[in-house]
Amino acid sequence: EAQVTQNPRYLITVTGKKLTVTCSQNMNHEYMSWYRQDPGLGLRQIYYSMNVEVTDKGDVPEGYKVSRKEKRNFPLILESPSPNQTSLYFCASSLEAIRTAHNEQFFGPGTRLTVL
Amino acid sequence: GDSVTQMEGPVTLSEEAFLTINCTYTATGYPSLFWYVQYPGEGLQLLLKATKADDKGSNKGFEATYRKETTSFHLEKGSVQVSDSAVYFCALRAGGTSYGKLTFGQGTILTVHP
Repeated sequence: EAQVTQNPRYLITVTGKKLTVTCSQNMNHEYMSWYRQDPGLGLRQIYYSMNVEVTDKGDVPEGYKVSRKEKRNFPLILESPSPNQTSLYFCASSLEAIRTAHNEQFFGPGTRLTVL
Repeated sequence: GDSVTQMEGPVTLSEEAFLTINCTYTATGYPSLFWYVQYPGEGLQLLLKATKADDKGSNKGFEATYRKETTSFHLEKGSVQVSDSAVYFCALRAGGTSYGKLTFGQGTILTVHP
């Protein structure tokens, strides 16, 4: 089954304790992205990757890191989480980014993170 | 920069009522437009899309027409069901230097009562 998976689905942590949220897709997609969803703000892009070893900042990258060592995986790293990073996080992927703006993005099920 | 504005919710309807959720956008170039739906506790699913002016996207009884002259992509359904209760997001995706980013509206919560 074609899908985007994320782990964990739920996470409660404390300020300053490094964490990683994993994202994996099995569709051989080139483009992957992380979004955070906050009430009244919709989804905002954190980071994206157009292919292996190619990553760049989205609209709200502060406090986050990413890596893209393999095509299928795109982990989100919070080196020193803070309470304002409490949010619902979604990973997404699509076939490619350039030239084809109409490609559908497939979303993972979401990770609900609480930072105390 | 690109932006999407959706009508504020929440929207509460009775079953079989007509639904309209307004969406307008600002973008350079020729974006593609999408409606995504998020059912409780789940991720986002693509509901429909339109990739050029005057295109009509449709799926599961929902429709939306890409209106370039009014920069709008309003979502409509003639007769809603309880199972349509969800959060609906309008989004655009521009090509070129936007590198595939989806720009979302704030979301509209729809609740349908029997």
